[in-house]
Parts: sequence; C-alpha cells; structure tokens
Amino acid sequence: QVQLQESGPGLVKPSETLSLTCTVSGDSVSNGRFFWSWIRQPPGKGLEWIGYIYYTGSTNYNPSLKSQITISLDMSKNQFSLKLSAVTAADTAVYHCARGAMDNYYGMDVWGQGTTVTVSS
Amino acid sequence: DIQMTQSPSSLSASVGDRVTITCRASQRINNYLSWYQQKPGKAPKLLIYAASRLQSGVPSRFSGSGSGTDCTLSISSLQPEDFATYYCQQTYNIPYTFGQGTKLEIK
Repeated sequence: QVQLQESGPGLVKPSETLSLTCTVSGDSVSNGRFFWSWIRQPPGKGLEWIGYIYYTGSTNYNPSLKSQITISLDMSKNQFSLKLSAVTAADTAVYHCARGAMDNYYGMDVWGQGTTVTVSS
Repeated sequence: DIQMTQSPSSLSASVGDRVTITCRASQRINNYLSWYQQKPGKAPKLLIYAASRLQSGVPSRFSGSGSGTDCTLSISSLQPEDFATYYCQQTYNIPYTFGQGTKLEIK
C-alpha cells in the first residue's frame, strides 16, 4: 500500500523559508510511471497546485509561485521536498504531497494527509 | 492559465437522489480532467480521471463525462458517505488548475 507523509515545521515567520518533506512508502520516487506533486489549501478555501518533480529531476511549477519554489528529490531517503521562500500570511495553508500518474492523465491517486503551516511572527 | 468553473457551488440533496456537477474549462482540455472528493480535515480522493475513467476502488455510482470544454460528475444514488466537497482539476496545461469546489450537503 502506497503512503505519503508530510513533515516539517507548523509555524514559519514572515519572510523566512518554508521547508516541507514528503516521505514515500510502498513505492519509489524513482518509479518512472509517476510524478510527485505539492498542493496547498488555505483555510476555508479551495485547492492550489504548487508544482511537481519527476524522477529525472525535471520540475514544473505554478508560475504564480515560481520565483519562490524549489522542489527536489532525495532518492536515497525516498523523499521529495518543497521549499517556499519569502513567505507571507497568504502562504498559510494545509500543504499536501501527492503522487500523480501519467496513466491517469496526471490525476493524483495517492495523497498525504496534509500538514498545516501557519505564517506568523 | 485555464480557468475551471464549477457549478453549482453548493447543492442540497437527499440520500438516493441523483446529482450532477458541472465543470467548464476556459479552453480545450482534451479530457485531461480529474474529479476529487474531499471530506472535512481529509485529503482529496481521486474519483475520476481522463474525464470519464473510474479510479480503482471507487463505487460505480460515480461517473464522469466530457465534451469539449464541459465535463460532468454524476452520482447515481447518493449515499450518506457521499456528502462532501467535490473538485475538478485540469491537467492539460501548466499550471494545473482546480475548480472552486461544489459542497454537497444533506437536504
């Protein structure tokens, strides 16, 4: 059974960098059938796609966040990570990692439970 | 960016009802459309991908269809566990964009 688990600090100060890690079990981030995404949901609002990384290291980011985002892979730990720089209160959200499949027309079939990140001084 | 407009934003229905939710894309998406169900405090769950293909393990009362820029999600006979918020998402162009959500409530 494939599982994804987000981890990272729940509180980040404005202007600092938010860093989250997604640990994958039951699959490998080097599996070429899948890509590995981050999605966020501000309190009481809808879903926003942040970006994804493929096992080759190739990435695609949401242009609205592109200047702030870095997504990376650590195959030795079977993890992928998100860094979001220069955060503001608008970056307060539940952050989910998810697995997407090209066979699914890029639909995301496995999600982490999400981790709440609050940006506040 | 491709804008995804869902309708209705909210919907009240009873157990056993058939309901339909619509998602309209601002440009063609070639059936690169997924539907998700989200319950409070939980991660979204993939129901439908490629506009009409049922994700493994999802009950057959859920179905999807797509034509041009319009896609629909139908639930043939609502069950108590189906009351949730539903989102569509296009994965045809970067950035992948979601609809604003449809909250399905018990009447």
